[in-house]
Amino acid sequence: AQSVTQPDIHITVSEGASLELRCNYSYGATPYLFWYVQSPGQGLQLLLKYFSGDTLVQGIKGFEAEFKRSQSSFNLRKPSVHWSDAAEYFCAVGSFGVGNEKLTFGTGTRLTIIP
Amino acid sequence: GAGVSQSPRYKVAKRGQDVALRCDPISGHVSLFWYQQALGQGPEFLTYFQNEAQLDKSGLPSDRFFAERPEGSVSTLKIQRTQQEDSAVYLCASSPDRTASAKGYTFGSGTRLTVV
Repeated sequence: AQSVTQPDIHITVSEGASLELRCNYSYGATPYLFWYVQSPGQGLQLLLKYFSGDTLVQGIKGFEAEFKRSQSSFNLRKPSVHWSDAAEYFCAVGSFGVGNEKLTFGTGTRLTIIP
Repeated sequence: GAGVSQSPRYKVAKRGQDVALRCDPISGHVSLFWYQQALGQGPEFLTYFQNEAQLDKSGLPSDRFFAERPEGSVSTLKIQRTQQEDSAVYLCASSPDRTASAKGYTFGSGTRLTVV
């Protein structure tokens, strides 16, 4: 069965500093990987996704993620965070196929930005 | 509409009460999903539809949970005889594609259910 681990429950970063959020996955085949962001009281917004090809994926809001098959990781990065980046971040792995469509999410990492 | 719309935004139910949560997907979207997000957790899959067909309901936690999408657009998630453990945010998502998970999908803002 597929699973996702986000080892960091809560991360605090100073505004303007760099950010890396960790994600490890377990999946039997080539994974479809996603990062979503959730602000309080809001739904999930897709930041970026990886299917195949270039292992460095660019997303919205200046985020990027790198797929490393050997480490089963898909870490999210941003060179310089803004106060508006404070939110909950979820990594997910997707299975697909008729009758087998679903995303499996990690438990999330809460990001706090300090001035 | 422009996005996935869910109603109500908030629902307080007394234990044992039945509730119905509504999802209006983006017009024309083929795939529709329901997820349950408990406090402090990531969303967990409940069920999914392709048009009006419910292709996977393996995530529904008990036979008290029932979902339908009779005309292939609006969907309703019904919970009978609510229990305190049903308290969560219920998220709906839709995708224009049959292979929705391969491309990600658009989530609504959710319905926060509190059972007292």
